[in-house]
Amino acid sequence: EAGVAQSPRYKIIEKRQSVAFWCNPISGHATLYWYQQILGQGPKLLIQFQNNGVVDDSQLPKDRFSAERLKGVDSTLKIQPAKLEDSAVYLCASSTGLAGINHRSYNEQFFGPGTRLTVL
Amino acid sequence: GQQVMQIPQYQHVQEGEDFTTYCNSSTTLSNIQWYKQRPGGHPVFLIQLVKSGEVKKQKRLTFQFGEAKKNSSLHITATQTTDVGTYFCAVSGAGSYQLTFGKGTKLSVIP
Repeated sequence: EAGVAQSPRYKIIEKRQSVAFWCNPISGHATLYWYQQILGQGPKLLIQFQNNGVVDDSQLPKDRFSAERLKGVDSTLKIQPAKLEDSAVYLCASSTGLAGINHRSYNEQFFGPGTRLTVL
Repeated sequence: GQQVMQIPQYQHVQEGEDFTTYCNSSTTLSNIQWYKQRPGGHPVFLIQLVKSGEVKKQKRLTFQFGEAKKNSSLHITATQTTDVGTYFCAVSGAGSYQLTFGKGTKLSVIP
């Protein structure tokens, strides 16, 4: 089974430029997540999709970040314009979705290799 | 959002020694997951705990969920160099769909 694919693996841009990341989840996975992981910290959820709908985007800086998941499969995350503090690894993950009685637990998340963004 | 504290931040052990990391929340949790991230790698799912007082084992790894569902621990018996990495807990609060990761415990194993 193919894993979560992400591209590009590395990106270096100057501040105020724009950048886009692409994610292809595991086939059949309904839920897709974008995380930001700053060096030395745990992943921080930016946005969560269930199929092509947004479940949670409360921590997405909407003035500069946007994400979409057209047709409920691939997803793109865009930053425009980038700031120095956006330097981080951007991780995409997917899962089969919420699970358990009343959907109170999660299925495991499968992470992609990430995109390391450096903003100069 | 959900607040979670993980301790210790770093742990250096001699190969063969035991290792424990703790995950603590001030509020009751719905469930907790544990992930391992190798240096330069991405998080990999280890286990999920849902029930109060739950204990699960995977070979040398033992995972516990507190009775009050506010804390959890991961214990590794007789560490090996392959255990090197950062261990994260990820939690969701009651009624929340958001999974919040702790800052992780970075484990170094000295051969």
